[in-house]
This record gives sequence, structure tokens and C-alpha cells, in this order.
Amino acid sequence: GENVEQHPSTLSVQEGDSAVIKCTYSDSASNYFPWYKQELGKGPQLIIDIRSNVGEKKDQRIAVTLNKTAKHFSLHITETQPEDSAVYFCAASYQTSYDKVIFGPGTSLSVIP
Amino acid sequence: DSGVTQTPKHLITATGQRVTLRCSPRSGDLSVYWYQQSLDQGLQFLIQYYNGEERAKGNILERFSAQQFPDLHSELNLSSLELGDSALYFCASSVDAGTGNYEQYFGPGTRLTVT
Repeated sequence: GENVEQHPSTLSVQEGDSAVIKCTYSDSASNYFPWYKQELGKGPQLIIDIRSNVGEKKDQRIAVTLNKTAKHFSLHITETQPEDSAVYFCAASYQTSYDKVIFGPGTSLSVIP
Repeated sequence: DSGVTQTPKHLITATGQRVTLRCSPRSGDLSVYWYQQSLDQGLQFLIQYYNGEERAKGNILERFSAQQFPDLHSELNLSSLELGDSALYFCASSVDAGTGNYEQYFGPGTRLTVT
């Protein structure tokens, strides 16, 4: 089955700097890669996703890149702000008639003011 | 607010007991997913229902079961509870499986503590 690894497990950056979180997946059939942000005491929130027919996607300060050959994808957050502090999860799935999503172990991001 | 509701928010019970967690998906969503989140296991997919039928199974124990009702709400039943079942249980919903809309929206979770 699918296995998703995520690095680093913790990340601390100064406000205004960039943060990068990297993930690898094992199943070459996976074709959908969402990223979730989980704040303390809340459920995960989808922040951006990318499908296998796209190499990069941007949404304001957030971008995701996908390298299908190497089976890895990354989340880039630019101009970080204290409210970006949270746990970020990458995930991978093979979207057919069902949507089983496998999550990475998470990255705890701290943005220092 | 994702539009997915879960009750109760907190649940404290003893080992050996049985509990039921409830989830109401976003209006219009046909798929419901259950996840377990513990400190050492991360987010683990348990089971998915689509329009009342089981669609996919993950690492769900035999002591656990779920169902989705005609009004699309779902319940997760946990029985013969053990200390290790203490975790956050999340429900998520999505519009439809297989239509190209893959986004899952998570509820706020139910924190289960087994003593």
C-alpha cells in the first residue's frame, strides 16, 4: 500500500522567511496530493492540493511542487507569519471510485515573530 | 468552519465500554471518512462510506464499526475499549468519489479518553 514520508518533523523559521516541507510517496499510481494545516484543537484544513498532471500550483503565499519521476512533492510557504504556525500534513491518494488518503506524519511549523 | 459537525466533542469512558461517535457531513457531500489521530500514529484512515455503502477500509480494528444512514450522517462505534484507543477521531466529507472533486473537509473531532 501507499506510504508517505515527511520531513522535517519540526521546523522553526523567523517571521518573513520561507518554509519548505518535503514529502515522498511510494505508490507510483497515486495521483492526488493534498496538504492540510492543523491548528491546535482543530481538525485538519485543506490549504492546497495538486494533481499528477500538474507540476506546480500556487495560491498567494503557498505553493506546491510535484516531481512524479522522483515521487516527491513539496510545500513552500513564503513571507511566513505567526499565524502560519501549525502542524502541516502532506497526503497522497489514488483517486478512482474511492478516495483513500494516506497522510504523512506531519511537520510542526513554528514562526517566530 | 468546514461545515462538518461531530458530536460529542469530548468523551471519557472506561476500558471495556462501548461508545458511538457521530458525524454530519457538509450539505451535499455523499462521502464520509473516519480517521484516528494519536500522538504516535499520526492521522490514520479508518473507513470510508459513500451514499450509505462502505467504499474503502483502512486500519480499522474489528472492535470498531461504522455505518452511514439514509440522511448521510455517519456513526463510528467503538467497542471493548482499550487504553490505546484514546485518541482524536475525525470525520471528513467530500462531495463525491469519482467525479473529480477530491477535497475532503474535516470536522472538529471527538477526543476520546479511555481510563
